Amino acid sequence: DAEITQSPRHKITETGRQVTLACHQTWNHNNMFWYRQDLGHGLRLIHYSYGVHDTNKGEVSDGYSVSRSNTEDLPLTLESAASSQTSVYFCASSGAQGYEQYFGPGTRLTVT
Amino acid sequence: KQEVTQIPAALSVPEGENLVLNCSFTDSAIYNLQWFRQDPGKGLTSLLLIQSSQREQTSGRLNASLDKSSGRSTLYIAASQPGDSATYLCAPESADGLTFGKGTHLIIQP
Repeated sequence: DAEITQSPRHKITETGRQVTLACHQTWNHNNMFWYRQDLGHGLRLIHYSYGVHDTNKGEVSDGYSVSRSNTEDLPLTLESAASSQTSVYFCASSGAQGYEQYFGPGTRLTVT
Repeated sequence: KQEVTQIPAALSVPEGENLVLNCSFTDSAIYNLQWFRQDPGKGLTSLLLIQSSQREQTSGRLNASLDKSSGRSTLYIAASQPGDSATYLCAPESADGLTFGKGTHLIIQP
């Protein structure tokens, strides 16, 4: 069965370190998305991609970057982790704009 | 900028009741609206997707309606069960992607 996976599921890191969260989907979807979920804010879009080599900024992109070198993967990099980036991160994918989005299980990141 | 409000924020009812969860959004220029379910500590599970040209969509005991012009959607849950306990999120999709409400936390008492 097609699926979307994220790794690691839990991570603790220190302020200032670079961190990369992995997202891999086997749906062969063109579109991939990264969200963060925080109490009081709900889910907010960080970055998204509509195909290989395409990346776009979302609502809360400062301090984050993504690159898309193939269809299956969209890694999210925190250039210099800050305590404000402690959150649960979700990756999602869809076949095209206007189609259903499918979500991964999430990565809980703690920045100390 | 799209803003999404979900009412009520929390709801606790006995098993067997029929429920209505409400979602309102400010920008009617949407492609579709998706309803999700989230269990504690888990990811999001897609329940229903309503295209902007549709008025409603049904899946089992769930029925979602969409009134795009007034910026409203409702999720109707028939004959609620304890296994329906979860947080329900609505998310209209526009050119800027999905915008989520803060959800309705639902508890169904056995």
